[in-house]
This record gives sequence, C-alpha cells and structure tokens, in this order.
Amino acid sequence: GENVEQHPSTLSVQEGDSAVIKCTYSDSASNYFPWYKQELGKRPQLIIDIRSNVGEKKDQRIAVTLNKTAKHFSLHITETQPEDSAVYFCAATSPTDSWGKLQFGAGTQVVVTP
Amino acid sequence: NAGVMQNPRHLVRRRGQEARLRCSPMKGHSHVYWYRQLPEEGLKFMVYLQKENIIDESGMPKERFSAEFPKEGPSILRIQQVVRGDSAAYFCASSPSQVFSGANVLTFGAGSRLTVL
Repeated sequence: GENVEQHPSTLSVQEGDSAVIKCTYSDSASNYFPWYKQELGKRPQLIIDIRSNVGEKKDQRIAVTLNKTAKHFSLHITETQPEDSAVYFCAATSPTDSWGKLQFGAGTQVVVTP
Repeated sequence: NAGVMQNPRHLVRRRGQEARLRCSPMKGHSHVYWYRQLPEEGLKFMVYLQKENIIDESGMPKERFSAEFPKEGPSILRIQQVVRGDSAAYFCASSPSQVFSGANVLTFGAGSRLTVL
C-alpha cells in the first residue's frame, strides 16, 4: 500500500516569510494529492489539491508542486500570516485503493511568529 | 448545505463500555469514510462504506470495532468494550462518488473526541 512521509515535523517562520513542506510517497500509481490544514481541535480542511496530470497548482498564497518521477510533492505558503499557524497534512491516494482511502503524512506544525 | 455532521462531539466512557459515534454525510453524498486520529498524530483510514455496504474495512481493528451505513439514517461507528488506547478523535468524511474527477474531494466532519477513563 501507499506510504507517505512528511517533513519537517515542525516549522517556525517569521510573518511575511515563506513556508515549504515536503512529502514523498511510495506508490508510483498514486494520482491524487490533497493538502489539509487542521487548527487545534478543529476538523481537517482541504486547502489545495493536485492531480497527477499537472505539475503545479496555485491558489493565492498557496501553491503545490508535484514531481511524479521523484515521487514527491510540496506545499508552498508565501507571505505567511499568523492565521496560517496550524498543522498541515499531506495525503495521497492510489487507484489501487478505494478513492477516499487517503494515506496521510504525520503532519507539520507551522508556527508563524509576528 | 450543513456539511458532514458528527455527534456526539465529545464522549467519555469508562473501560469496558460501548461507544457509538454517528455521522451524517453531506447532502448528495453517498460515500462515507471513517478515520481515527490519535493525539498528535496524522489521520488513519479505518473504513469506507456506501449505503448498506461495507466497501473497505482494511483499516479497522478486527475486534471490538464495527461500522454500518443503513439505508435510512446516519453511519455509525461502534466500539465495544472500550480501552484507554481507543481514546482518539474519530473523523467522518464523505464524498459524492468514487469517480476520479476534478469535482470529487473528501470533506471531513468536525470529529467525535472519545475519552476512555
């Protein structure tokens, strides 16, 4: 089955700087890669996703890149703000699995300091 | 659209009791997934259900755990004879279909936090 590794586990950035979180996956057939943001005690919320037929996707200050050859994908947050502080999870799913059976990374605690 | 509704939000049980967690998917969604999140860990897939059918229960512990999604009513995750290690947040998610398409995303509920004393 799919295995997803996520780094770093914690990330502290100054407000206004960029944050980058990286994930690797093991199943070359995986074709859907969502990113979820989870604030303390809240539900995971989808912030951006990318499918295997594109290499990059951007939504305002958030972008995701996918390198299928190297089997890794990254989340980029530019001009970070205090409200970006949260735990971010990457995930992947393979067509050999049930579609909604996401394999999640262990999460990255992002702290944005003013 | 009220989103994915879970209840109870918080549940306290003593060891050996039963816990029942309920999930109503988003309107129009017929696929339900349960995930468990242990303290300070990522989410782990447990089970995938459609109405009246368990499609994939590969992440469900073999004993004490069961799930159902009846024709009428919410999906239920049932944990019998709870132990302290069952203390976790249980999240339900729903999607409109199994189709790999641009419109298909997984939406999570607010979770049910189980504490076993």
